[in-house]
Amino acid sequence: EVQLVESGGGLVQPGGSLRLSCAASGFTVSNNFMTWVRQPPGKGLEWVSVIYKSGSTFYADSVKGRFTISRHNSKNTLYLQMNSLRAEDTAVYYCARGGAGTANDNWGQGTLVTVSS
Amino acid sequence: SYVLTQPPSVSVAPGKTARIACGGYNIGRKSVHWYQQKPGQAPVVVVYDDSDRPSGIPERFSGSNSGNTATLTISWVEAGDEADYYCQVWDSSNYHVVFGGGTKLTVL
Repeated sequence: EVQLVESGGGLVQPGGSLRLSCAASGFTVSNNFMTWVRQPPGKGLEWVSVIYKSGSTFYADSVKGRFTISRHNSKNTLYLQMNSLRAEDTAVYYCARGGAGTANDNWGQGTLVTVSS
Repeated sequence: SYVLTQPPSVSVAPGKTARIACGGYNIGRKSVHWYQQKPGQAPVVVVYDDSDRPSGIPERFSGSNSGNTATLTISWVEAGDEADYYCQVWDSSNYHVVFGGGTKLTVL
Protein backbone atom coordinates (compact mmCIF):
# COMPACT_ATOMS: atom_id res chain seq x y z
CA GLU A 1 0.00 0.00 0.00
CA VAL A 2 1.30 3.43 -0.96
CA GLN A 3 1.62 5.77 2.01
CA LEU A 4 3.09 9.24 2.53
CA VAL A 5 3.60 10.68 6.01
CA GLU A 6 4.67 14.29 6.47
CA SER A 7 6.33 15.68 9.55
CA GLY A 8 8.29 18.73 10.68
CA GLY A 9 5.60 21.39 10.68
CA GLY A 10 5.12 23.83 13.51
CA LEU A 11 5.30 27.44 14.63
CA VAL A 12 8.27 29.49 13.43
CA GLN A 13 9.09 33.18 13.56
CA PRO A 14 9.35 35.27 10.40
CA GLY A 15 12.79 34.89 8.91
CA GLY A 16 13.21 31.45 10.45
CA SER A 17 13.76 28.04 8.91
CA LEU A 18 12.01 24.70 8.96
CA ARG A 19 12.57 21.35 7.28
CA LEU A 20 9.62 19.19 6.30
CA SER A 21 9.97 15.46 5.78
CA CYS A 22 7.77 13.08 3.85
CA ALA A 23 8.39 9.41 4.53
CA ALA A 24 7.19 7.15 1.75
CA SER A 25 6.30 3.47 1.80
CA GLY A 26 4.93 1.09 -0.80
CA PHE A 27 6.94 2.64 -3.63
CA THR A 28 10.37 4.15 -4.35
CA VAL A 29 10.64 7.93 -4.14
CA SER A 30 13.59 8.14 -6.51
CA ASN A 31 11.63 6.34 -9.25
CA ASN A 32 8.85 8.92 -9.23
CA PHE A 33 8.16 12.60 -9.67
CA MET A 34 7.54 13.96 -6.18
CA THR A 35 5.76 17.21 -5.40
CA TRP A 36 5.07 19.62 -2.54
CA VAL A 37 1.73 21.46 -2.56
CA ARG A 38 0.53 23.89 0.08
CA GLN A 39 -2.83 25.26 1.14
CA PRO A 40 -3.14 28.45 3.20
CA PRO A 41 -5.96 28.35 5.76
CA GLY A 42 -9.31 28.65 4.02
CA LYS A 43 -7.74 29.02 0.59
CA GLY A 44 -6.98 26.90 -2.47
CA LEU A 45 -4.15 24.60 -3.45
CA GLU A 46 -0.80 26.10 -4.48
CA TRP A 47 1.96 24.13 -6.17
CA VAL A 48 5.31 24.65 -4.42
CA SER A 49 7.99 22.42 -5.91
CA VAL A 50 8.76 19.22 -7.78
CA ILE A 51 11.74 16.89 -8.03
CA TYR A 52 12.06 14.73 -11.11
CA LYS A 53 13.30 11.17 -11.25
CA SER A 54 16.45 12.63 -12.82
CA GLY A 55 16.94 14.87 -9.78
CA SER A 56 16.00 18.08 -11.58
CA THR A 57 14.07 20.50 -9.39
CA PHE A 58 11.62 23.31 -10.07
CA TYR A 59 9.97 25.86 -7.81
CA ALA A 60 7.05 28.25 -7.73
CA ASP A 61 8.17 31.85 -8.13
CA SER A 62 6.89 32.61 -4.62
CA VAL A 63 9.40 30.26 -2.98
CA LYS A 64 12.30 30.17 -5.44
CA GLY A 65 15.58 30.96 -3.74
CA ARG A 66 14.14 30.27 -0.27
CA PHE A 67 12.93 26.66 -0.44
CA THR A 68 14.87 23.57 -1.47
CA ILE A 69 13.37 20.21 -2.38
CA SER A 70 15.50 17.09 -1.98
CA ARG A 71 15.28 13.38 -1.34
CA HIS A 72 17.21 10.74 0.56
CA ASN A 73 17.11 7.59 -1.49
CA SER A 74 18.12 5.10 1.18
CA LYS A 75 15.56 6.55 3.60
CA ASN A 76 12.95 6.76 0.83
CA THR A 77 12.11 10.22 2.10
CA LEU A 78 11.33 13.57 0.48
CA TYR A 79 12.27 16.87 2.10
CA LEU A 80 11.46 20.55 1.84
CA GLN A 81 13.96 22.93 3.41
CA MET A 82 12.26 26.27 3.98
CA ASN A 83 14.36 29.33 4.77
CA SER A 84 13.56 33.04 5.20
CA LEU A 85 10.00 32.16 6.07
CA ARG A 86 7.28 34.77 5.74
CA ALA A 87 3.77 35.08 7.15
CA GLU A 88 2.38 34.25 3.71
CA ASP A 89 4.09 30.85 3.84
CA THR A 90 1.62 29.81 6.55
CA ALA A 91 -0.21 26.78 5.16
CA VAL A 92 -0.79 23.06 5.33
CA TYR A 93 1.99 21.47 3.31
CA TYR A 94 1.28 18.24 1.44
CA CYS A 95 3.70 15.91 -0.28
CA ALA A 96 2.36 13.95 -3.21
CA ARG A 97 3.54 11.35 -5.67
CA GLY A 98 3.53 12.51 -9.24
CA GLY A 99 4.33 15.77 -10.90
CA ALA A 100 5.10 17.56 -14.14
CA GLY A 101 2.44 16.26 -16.52
CA THR A 102 1.38 13.32 -14.38
CA ALA A 103 -1.38 13.53 -11.82
CA ASN A 104 -0.65 13.46 -8.10
CA ASP A 105 -2.13 10.07 -7.37
CA ASN A 106 -1.20 9.77 -3.70
CA TRP A 107 -1.03 12.49 -1.05
CA GLY A 108 0.10 12.67 2.54
CA GLN A 109 -2.14 13.92 5.31
CA GLY A 110 -0.39 17.30 5.41
CA THR A 111 1.60 19.18 8.02
CA LEU A 112 0.77 22.69 9.24
CA VAL A 113 3.40 25.41 9.10
CA THR A 114 2.61 28.63 10.92
CA VAL A 115 4.87 31.63 10.48
CA SER A 116 4.16 34.18 13.18
CA SER A 117 5.89 36.22 15.86
CA SER B 1 2.32 32.56 -16.30
CA TYR B 2 -0.53 30.22 -17.15
CA VAL B 3 -3.86 30.86 -15.42
CA LEU B 4 -6.75 28.48 -14.77
CA THR B 5 -10.16 29.96 -13.96
CA GLN B 6 -12.91 28.09 -12.10
CA PRO B 7 -16.27 29.30 -10.82
CA PRO B 8 -16.12 29.74 -7.03
CA SER B 9 -19.27 27.72 -6.48
CA VAL B 10 -21.70 25.34 -8.16
CA SER B 11 -24.96 24.12 -6.65
CA VAL B 12 -26.93 21.08 -7.74
CA ALA B 13 -29.81 19.00 -6.46
CA PRO B 14 -29.30 15.33 -5.59
CA GLY B 15 -29.67 13.06 -8.60
CA LYS B 16 -28.91 15.85 -11.06
CA THR B 17 -25.75 16.52 -13.06
CA ALA B 18 -23.05 18.95 -11.94
CA ARG B 19 -20.63 20.49 -14.41
CA ILE B 20 -17.54 22.32 -13.19
CA ALA B 21 -15.62 24.33 -15.76
CA CYS B 22 -11.92 25.10 -15.85
CA GLY B 23 -10.88 27.79 -18.30
CA GLY B 24 -7.42 28.39 -19.68
CA TYR B 25 -5.82 29.53 -22.91
CA ASN B 26 -5.72 26.54 -25.30
CA ILE B 27 -6.25 24.22 -22.35
CA GLY B 28 -7.42 21.62 -24.88
CA ARG B 29 -3.76 21.14 -25.78
CA LYS B 30 -2.84 20.21 -22.21
CA SER B 31 -3.64 17.25 -19.96
CA VAL B 32 -6.00 18.23 -17.19
CA HIS B 33 -6.32 16.53 -13.82
CA TRP B 34 -9.17 17.03 -11.35
CA TYR B 35 -9.03 16.69 -7.56
CA GLN B 36 -11.73 16.40 -4.95
CA GLN B 37 -11.02 17.74 -1.46
CA LYS B 38 -13.36 17.31 1.47
CA PRO B 39 -12.97 19.40 4.65
CA GLY B 40 -9.95 18.43 6.70
CA GLN B 41 -8.76 15.88 4.16
CA ALA B 42 -6.04 15.70 1.54
CA PRO B 43 -7.03 16.03 -2.12
CA VAL B 44 -7.92 12.93 -4.11
CA VAL B 45 -7.58 12.67 -7.89
CA VAL B 46 -10.94 11.86 -9.48
CA VAL B 47 -10.06 12.37 -13.16
CA TYR B 48 -6.63 12.44 -14.78
CA ASP B 49 -5.38 13.08 -18.31
CA ASP B 50 -8.62 14.88 -19.22
CA SER B 51 -10.99 11.94 -18.94
CA ASP B 52 -9.43 8.90 -17.26
CA ARG B 53 -10.65 7.67 -13.89
CA PRO B 54 -8.43 6.12 -11.21
CA SER B 55 -9.53 2.78 -9.84
CA GLY B 56 -12.11 3.22 -7.13
CA ILE B 57 -13.59 6.42 -8.55
CA PRO B 58 -17.25 5.97 -9.58
CA GLU B 59 -18.18 6.13 -13.25
CA ARG B 60 -20.38 9.09 -12.30
CA PHE B 61 -17.23 11.20 -12.53
CA SER B 62 -16.12 12.09 -16.05
CA GLY B 63 -14.05 14.72 -17.76
CA SER B 64 -13.69 16.45 -21.12
CA ASN B 65 -11.30 19.01 -22.53
CA SER B 66 -11.45 21.08 -25.68
CA GLY B 67 -10.56 24.56 -26.84
CA ASN B 68 -10.28 26.88 -23.87
CA THR B 69 -12.38 24.88 -21.39
CA ALA B 70 -12.05 21.62 -19.50
CA THR B 71 -15.08 20.26 -17.70
CA LEU B 72 -15.59 17.88 -14.81
CA THR B 73 -19.02 16.27 -14.95
CA ILE B 74 -20.58 14.51 -11.99
CA SER B 75 -23.71 12.57 -12.88
CA TRP B 76 -26.37 11.47 -10.41
CA VAL B 77 -24.91 13.74 -7.74
CA GLU B 78 -24.97 12.45 -4.18
CA ALA B 79 -24.66 14.27 -0.87
CA GLY B 80 -21.23 12.71 -0.43
CA ASP B 81 -19.97 14.53 -3.53
CA GLU B 82 -20.12 17.85 -1.69
CA ALA B 83 -16.51 19.07 -1.69
CA ASP B 84 -14.05 21.48 -3.25
CA TYR B 85 -12.86 20.55 -6.73
CA TYR B 86 -9.61 21.72 -8.33
CA CYS B 87 -8.32 21.44 -11.89
CA GLN B 88 -4.60 21.18 -12.54
CA VAL B 89 -2.30 21.34 -15.56
CA TRP B 90 1.41 21.35 -16.24
CA ASP B 91 2.81 24.45 -17.92
CA SER B 92 5.61 23.03 -20.04
CA SER B 93 6.89 26.52 -20.88
CA ASN B 94 8.34 26.93 -17.39
CA TYR B 95 7.99 23.43 -15.89
CA HIS B 96 5.47 24.71 -13.35
CA VAL B 97 2.24 23.08 -12.23
CA VAL B 98 -0.85 25.26 -12.06
CA PHE B 99 -4.02 24.77 -10.02
CA GLY B 100 -7.32 26.42 -10.63
CA GLY B 101 -8.76 28.46 -7.79
CA GLY B 102 -11.17 25.69 -6.83
CA THR B 103 -14.94 25.26 -7.00
CA LYS B 104 -17.11 24.51 -4.00
CA LEU B 105 -19.81 22.02 -4.97
CA THR B 106 -22.93 22.30 -2.84
CA VAL B 107 -25.56 19.58 -2.96
CA LEU B 108 -28.90 21.19 -2.24
